[in-house]
Amino acid sequence: DGGITQSPKYLFRKEGQNVTLSCEQNLNHDAMYWYRQDPGQGLRLIYYSQIVNDFQKGDIAEGYSVSREKKESFPLTVTSAQKNPTAFYLCASSIASGGSSYNEQFFGPGTRLTVL
Amino acid sequence: GQQVMQIPQYQHVQEGEDFTTYCNSSTTLSNIQWYKQRPGGHPVFLIQLVKSGEVKKQKRLTFQFGEAKKNSSLHITATQTTDVGTYFCAGPGSARQLTFGSGTQLTVLP
Repeated sequence: DGGITQSPKYLFRKEGQNVTLSCEQNLNHDAMYWYRQDPGQGLRLIYYSQIVNDFQKGDIAEGYSVSREKKESFPLTVTSAQKNPTAFYLCASSIASGGSSYNEQFFGPGTRLTVL
Repeated sequence: GQQVMQIPQYQHVQEGEDFTTYCNSSTTLSNIQWYKQRPGGHPVFLIQLVKSGEVKKQKRLTFQFGEAKKNSSLHITATQTTDVGTYFCAGPGSARQLTFGSGTQLTVLP
């Protein structure tokens, strides 16, 4: 059954701690994305990767880091430098790379991060 | 970078009434996509429009792309409770990645 999985669904962390959110896809997609969603707002792009071992900053990359060592995996680390990390984090993937915005994006179920 | 503005932010309708959400850009868009996010869920792709003046229908949903390719709309005829959710438009932003509008949250009252 193809799709995108994110874990955990809910995550709590203490202020000052780093935390890593998992994103795995078995759709054989080249491109993967991380978005942040705050209540009543749209999705804002954190990082994206068009190919293995390469990734670019999105609109709100400060305080976040990523890696793309495998095609299937694109983990996101929320560092202690992120001033307001409480949010809903969504991972997505699409078929083609090359910076195209023409491709349908498939989203995972999301991780809701709360900083205590 | 490129922004797409979406209105209204919230819309409450009685079941059976129609609903429309609008997406506007200050610059020409090469394409626009629409997504639906159910409460507590994740966005799901609905459709993509590419051509000037394009109109596409999916059952009770009608999607339009303006002649100038600067605006788009989603119209739902005779809403049902299953239509509840937030509808997002998304267009090309910086580095040709998608930029999402702020969404229109639709509530359908039975």
